[in-house]
Amino acid sequence: EPEVTQTPSHQVTQMGQEVILRCVPISNHLYFYWYRQILGQKVEFLVSFYNNEISEKSEIFDDQFSVERPDGSNFTLKIRSTKLEDSAMYFCASSSTRGGETQYFGPGTRLLVL
Amino acid sequence: AQSVTQLGSHVSVSEGALVLLRCNYSSSVPPYLFWYVQYPNQGLQLLLKYTTGATLVKGINGFEAEFKKSETSFHLTKPSAHMSDAAEYFCAVSTNRDDKIIFGKGTRLHILP
Repeated sequence: EPEVTQTPSHQVTQMGQEVILRCVPISNHLYFYWYRQILGQKVEFLVSFYNNEISEKSEIFDDQFSVERPDGSNFTLKIRSTKLEDSAMYFCASSSTRGGETQYFGPGTRLLVL
Repeated sequence: AQSVTQLGSHVSVSEGALVLLRCNYSSSVPPYLFWYVQYPNQGLQLLLKYTTGATLVKGINGFEAEFKKSETSFHLTKPSAHMSDAAEYFCAVSTNRDDKIIFGKGTRLHILP
């Protein structure tokens, strides 16, 4: 069964450094998403992406964040200058249709900012 | 805007007993409703979903949920708990107009031997 993959599984970085989290969505999916889950808290929507542009973003997704689909298969989340509060599990998801139809989630990248 | 409320951040049941995890939602348009499970240090796995049609939805691992519009509820049940059901369960809502899924705060299910 096709699945969403994410790399790395864990990343440790120093505050102020840039990080790029990578995701390979399911191949025929057109809609892509990033969510995050701070330890012990609920999963929160960050951004959705379709047709090479952001379709919706949350207030969490400020100017420090950006997303890109650089090569038609990868979908990346960049955090320009990490803060301590960016420490979280980041989940990528993809879907074949818009709206709340099933989004398939990747296993997540655990980011720790020191 | 949509929202989800999960009653009980922790629920403990004995092995073999009924599992009932409560979820209430708020949505101004017909909702799509989901239950996801998260095992320790793992990602999110879809247990079941309701979009349209039959209001009793069956999912994986013997779980089911019933959409009750009049009560704005989507409670998750399983007749007989198994030790392997110990995990965090998230109720979530979306619609056909939204890109995002809104998650509840989660309920951690503990299974007592």
